[in-house]
Amino acid sequence: DSGVTQTPKHLITATGQRVTLRCSPRSGDLSVYWYQQSLDQGLQFLIQYYNGEERAKGNILERFSAQQFPDLHSELNLSSLELGDSALYFCASSLSGSSYEQYFGPGTRLTVT
Amino acid sequence: GNSVTQMEGPVTLSEEAFLTINCTYTATGYPSLFWYVQYPGEGLQLLLKATKADDKGSNKGFEATYRKETTSFHLEKGSVQVSDSAVYFCAPLITGANSKLTFGKGITLSVRP
Repeated sequence: DSGVTQTPKHLITATGQRVTLRCSPRSGDLSVYWYQQSLDQGLQFLIQYYNGEERAKGNILERFSAQQFPDLHSELNLSSLELGDSALYFCASSLSGSSYEQYFGPGTRLTVT
Repeated sequence: GNSVTQMEGPVTLSEEAFLTINCTYTATGYPSLFWYVQYPGEGLQLLLKATKADDKGSNKGFEATYRKETTSFHLEKGSVQVSDSAVYFCAPLITGANSKLTFGKGITLSVRP
């Protein structure tokens, strides 16, 4: 158990809909990262937050957005969903914004039908 | 930017066989190097790391040595077990204000009894 929690574990929704994925980092960690894992794209870094502020951006679509709240939990919002957005979404946390180690949550499996 | 090249998979071995998974990287500066492992149905876990040239990371019988001259960080294990069946990811990390892991495509290892 990494100490990172993600909800929900599974999510099934229709094209065009909007969903919110939630992540709680390990106790004491200030940084949260979001990743998308799909069979064709592999593991892609989406975005990083550190202590409530956006720190780094990766391959995140404009339809996607994220935020980190004062209690350090984070939410990833996915809107206008397409079939190709079906994937595993992982959250990871680290102690600092430039930490050596990231700890991953169990992931949320999103299926868009 | 950073990039990682992992050997093509999947890899299937018999129990107690010797394992080598190749990883080479391209990065500016001097990255820290990580191997992460993803067991079926789970998130990624840090397997081992090395933070400077000639360092050897080790954990659970796995080893990898940071070779700056060949920009490689090959993963080895002398005798694999069925429980080692998983997906293995190599990832360099340039530390700094905007540090982020760059994951390779991952390689699936299946170990037969």
